[in-house]
Amino acid sequence: DAGITQSPRHKVTETGTPVTLRCHQTENHRYMYWYRQDPGHGLRLIHYSYGVKDTDKGEVSDGYSVSRSKTEDFLLTLESATSSQTSVYFCAISGGHLGGSNSPLHFGNGTRLTVT
Amino acid sequence: GQSLEQPSEVTAVEGAIVQINCTYQTSGFYGLSWYQQHDGGAPTFLSYNGLDGLEETGRFSSFLSRSDSYGYLLLQELQMKDSASYFCAVPGGYQKVTFGTGTKLQVIP
Repeated sequence: DAGITQSPRHKVTETGTPVTLRCHQTENHRYMYWYRQDPGHGLRLIHYSYGVKDTDKGEVSDGYSVSRSKTEDFLLTLESATSSQTSVYFCAISGGHLGGSNSPLHFGNGTRLTVT
Repeated sequence: GQSLEQPSEVTAVEGAIVQINCTYQTSGFYGLSWYQQHDGGAPTFLSYNGLDGLEETGRFSSFLSRSDSYGYLLLQELQMKDSASYFCAVPGGYQKVTFGTGTKLQVIP
C-alpha cells in the first residue's frame, strides 16, 4: 500500500473555528490532492499540488486553503468552518504521467469532519 | 472544464455480468481511469485506458472509445464482494484529476 497518512481521522468542530487537516506521504510523489466526498456528489476536487509550493484550485475551493512546504506534507485549512463543510475528506497522491500512462491515485483513509 | 456522467445505481445478480458506463467531456484527454470504493473505505484504483479498446484485468475489463468520449467498466462473474461504488476519472492538465459522481453497484443473490 502507498504510504499515505491522514490526520486526524475524525474531528468535530464548531462553526467559525479554523481547522487544519494533514496529509503525509512517504512515496516522494509529486502530485497531491484533497477531495471531499458527499452523498450524491462523488469525489470533488478541492485543491491539488503539482510540486512544493505549487498548488491550484479544484472545483470546490471556496472556504479552503492549502499549503505544501515540503514534498511529503499537504495541509488543508478551513479558515472558518461552516456546517456545509461537514464531509469526508480524502487525500490522494500520484506519480503523475509516467512512461506514456498515468500513474493512479492512491488515497488515504479519509478524515470525517463534522461542523456543528 | 471537465465533466463525467455515470448512472447513479446498478443492480445485478451474483454470477452475472454488469457494465457501468461513463461519458465524459474534457478540454484535453489523457486517459480514463476506474476506481472502486467500498462503503466506509477509500477509493482504490482498478484500471486505466489511454488508448481505444479493451483492457482486461482478471474479472474486470475496461473499454474506451475516444471518438465517442465514452468508456465502460465490465465486471464478470459478479461476486457479493463486488458490491461497491465505482468511479470513472480523467486527468487534465497538470494531472488535475476529476471524478464522476459514481455508480453504486448492488449485487444480489
